[in-house]
Amino acid sequence: KQEVTQIPAALSVPEGENLVLNCSFTDSAIYNLQWFRQDPGKGLTSLLLIQSSQREQTSGRLNASLDKSSGRSTLYIAASQPGDSATYLCAVRPENNDMRFGAGTRLTVKP
Amino acid sequence: NAGVTQTPKFQVLKTGQSMTLQCAQDMNHEYMSWYRQDPGMGLRLIHYSVGAGITDQGEVPNGYNVSRSTTEDFPLRLLSAAPSQTSVYFCASRGLGTGNTIYFGEGSWLTVV
Repeated sequence: KQEVTQIPAALSVPEGENLVLNCSFTDSAIYNLQWFRQDPGKGLTSLLLIQSSQREQTSGRLNASLDKSSGRSTLYIAASQPGDSATYLCAVRPENNDMRFGAGTRLTVKP
Repeated sequence: NAGVTQTPKFQVLKTGQSMTLQCAQDMNHEYMSWYRQDPGMGLRLIHYSVGAGITDQGEVPNGYNVSRSTTEDFPLRLLSAAPSQTSVYFCASRGLGTGNTIYFGEGSWLTVV
């Protein structure tokens, strides 16, 4: 059974800092991996999707990497801003099953 | 753009009552699914559908029913609500290909007392 783990569970940084969120998964047989943002009381918004054949994806200040063989992904946020404060979730889509989500990392960026 | 629409946003039920959470999408997606999100846990799949007339169980299906009579709609029914079903419920949809982004509704907060 695919397990997805996100560390740390919570992170607090000062504005302007570059930061990395981590996601690990136990089974490398995946179609893709997605990173989501969730604001309090809201649904999930997709940030980046990395196909299994890709190594990374970039969108603005966000860069996500994927190392399938080691079962790891990182989400890099450059020059963090208070508006980046949210919970970030990663999810993998296994080849033989539906998406599996991590529990998320709650990020607080202090002004 | 409506995307994925869920109703109601908030609901309080008494133990044993039944109710239906509505979900509709306007993106012509074949795949629709229901998840529940509990504190400290990731989203867990309840039921999913790959097209009209086709449904299947996810990780935590007990106590829930679904149907898919149209491409657009995928309601989730709680048959006899229990306090353990207190949770936030999310509906989602995507295309069937391996590279398709999944889109989520805003969530439905359900409390069973």
